[in-house]
Amino acid sequence: GNSVTQMEGPVTLSEEAFLTINCTYTATGYPSLFWYVQYPGEGLQLLLKATKADDKGSNKGFEATYRKETTSFHLEKGSVQVSDSAVYFCALSDNYGQNFVFGPGTRLSVLP
Amino acid sequence: IAGITQAPTSQILAAGRRMTLRCTQDMRHNAMYWYRQDLGLGLRLIHYSNTAGTTGKGEVPDGYSVSRANTDDFPLTLASAVPSQTSVYFCASSDSVGETQYFGPGTRLLVL
Repeated sequence: GNSVTQMEGPVTLSEEAFLTINCTYTATGYPSLFWYVQYPGEGLQLLLKATKADDKGSNKGFEATYRKETTSFHLEKGSVQVSDSAVYFCALSDNYGQNFVFGPGTRLSVLP
Repeated sequence: IAGITQAPTSQILAAGRRMTLRCTQDMRHNAMYWYRQDLGLGLRLIHYSNTAGTTGKGEVPDGYSVSRANTDDFPLTLASAVPSQTSVYFCASSDSVGETQYFGPGTRLLVL
């Protein structure tokens, strides 16, 4: 079945550091890939997405590139801020009428 | 536009009691979902509805039931609550199956 694997957290960084959160997936066909962010006490919000191989999703300084050859969708940001502290979820949708599969989430803490 | 609303925001419930969590969306989305979020387990799908009048079981459906009488509402019922149902419950919707999901703010439920 479909699955998503994320790097174990928590991740703690200093402000302005470079961020990478790894995400790899297993799926049939050509899934759509997503990153969601959950701020403390809130629901999940879509951060970015990519629907086909080599697409790059970007938003709020975050980027992720759909790499079919490595089945990966790693999240990156060049300079994190304290306000980026949240839990980040990688997810996929296989476009065959199946529902989303979410990764376990990676908690990011950014220190001033 | 409110998006997705959930009620109540939080609830303390005695074991054995019946409880309905409400979810309403105003985006005219066809598909709706219920997830529970538990520490260390990420998001798990309880039930889903691809369109009004239809429902399906997710990963963890036992002890829960849903109905989808119209497009906007997707209530989740716990017929006889047990402590293991203590969790944060999120409702979500998408224009169609496999598309971006939009989440409500969540309901925090404590079953004693």
